[in-house]
Amino acid sequence: QKEVEQNSGPLSVPEGAIASLNCTYSDRVSQSFFWYRQYSGKSPELIMSIYSNGDKEDGRFTAQLNKASQYVSLLIRDSQPSDSATYLCAVNRGGSYIPTFGRGTSLIVHP
Amino acid sequence: DGGITQSPKYLFRKEGQNVTLSCEQNLNHDAMYWYRQDPGQGLRLIYYSQIVNDFQKGDIAEGYSVSREKKESFPLTVTSAQKNPTAFYLCASSRGLGTEAFFGQGTRLTVV
Repeated sequence: QKEVEQNSGPLSVPEGAIASLNCTYSDRVSQSFFWYRQYSGKSPELIMSIYSNGDKEDGRFTAQLNKASQYVSLLIRDSQPSDSATYLCAVNRGGSYIPTFGRGTSLIVHP
Repeated sequence: DGGITQSPKYLFRKEGQNVTLSCEQNLNHDAMYWYRQDPGQGLRLIYYSQIVNDFQKGDIAEGYSVSREKKESFPLTVTSAQKNPTAFYLCASSRGLGTEAFFGQGTRLTVV
């Protein structure tokens, strides 16, 4: 089982819809979780971090964490074509606290 | 203007050559990381450093070397022992292990 798993997609949503991106992880003692956005040919940029169970909102983005189910998600409300990118989930390893990345989910927002 | 600077943006290497990728940060971060990204793949950890004069191997360290003589700098050398070095190399830093990591703009290395 991979440490951090994401559906590679592409996930295609119409403009204005909610995009839901999911990530599961295998290390039960992981404490820190991050979502990054990566445009084609560019480096990842941090969107959100979440450390506690529940929801965390920042503008159009909401991160959701469920440690019991080892599941973290990112919701993007009112999706825009500029949101089209690959979204990387990162989970810090429980022992070393080093970020481990999933392969990313490609999101396409069509007008 | 705080950030992480990687240079060069593009690098071409001949077979059998060693090349060094530069990574400098002025965020006063203690931890620094090197990742490699191949097309359609996630980021794989090469080396990381928690503090000056200390660094640890990541998941794919073979064929790479690093140094951390200054807090601001964490250069990566891709040696001739690395059999498939063509990739996108990303440097990141964070205040400490377990905190938010920020990335430089990356170096795209191609073997010619």
